[in-house]
Amino acid sequence: LAKTTQPISMDSYEGQEVNITCSHNNIATNDYITWYQQFPSQGPRFIIQGYKTKVTNEVASLFIPADRKSSTLSLPRVSLSDTAVYYCLVAQARDTGRRALTFGSGTRLQVQP
Amino acid sequence: DVKVTQSSRYLVKRTGEKVFLECVQDMDHENMFWYRQDPGLGLRLIYFSYDVKMKEKGDIPEGYSVSREKKERFSLILESASTNQTSMYLCASSTEYGLADTDTQYFGPGTRLTVL
Repeated sequence: LAKTTQPISMDSYEGQEVNITCSHNNIATNDYITWYQQFPSQGPRFIIQGYKTKVTNEVASLFIPADRKSSTLSLPRVSLSDTAVYYCLVAQARDTGRRALTFGSGTRLQVQP
Repeated sequence: DVKVTQSSRYLVKRTGEKVFLECVQDMDHENMFWYRQDPGLGLRLIYFSYDVKMKEKGDIPEGYSVSREKKERFSLILESASTNQTSMYLCASSTEYGLADTDTQYFGPGTRLTVL
């Protein structure tokens, strides 16, 4: 499984855009890049997934360069409620057999007023 | 909305006790997982199950066993609890037939287990 590396922590202020970069140098052809968010005292929840280029949903955007060896999660105009741990995962496509996910240590984002 | 519930939010047990952690999901998902979460180590997979009565070891199965007698319920068992099993335990489920390209996992709120 491709290992991911992301910063341990980041600080931001309300209203700013936050970009969290994750590296996954040995990503395989069948792998997708997936991000989860975890609030204190809760389990992680899925926020976005992509294979290449750019994906946007109501929560975030995900930028993936052509070589796919890294990805950037972008959170527009963060608020205090975005304070959480963000996990970058490499997940295999549904038809490749493996069902479990591999979580790293994540990035702890602290948003200040 | 998918709902994954865990039997306890907080649990305190003594060394050597047998501990049962229960997880129930209400969306008819085929796959269920048990993870533990420790500071600095992220989430680590203990066991998972892709069908009733089926189970597979994850990355750290030692000291644990599991049971899946019904599709909606997945139990984690600590046969003889030890202090190094003090941790946050998270249950998750996913379906084989979702719309996403990969399995999206839905997590419960977690059980914080302390073994004294």
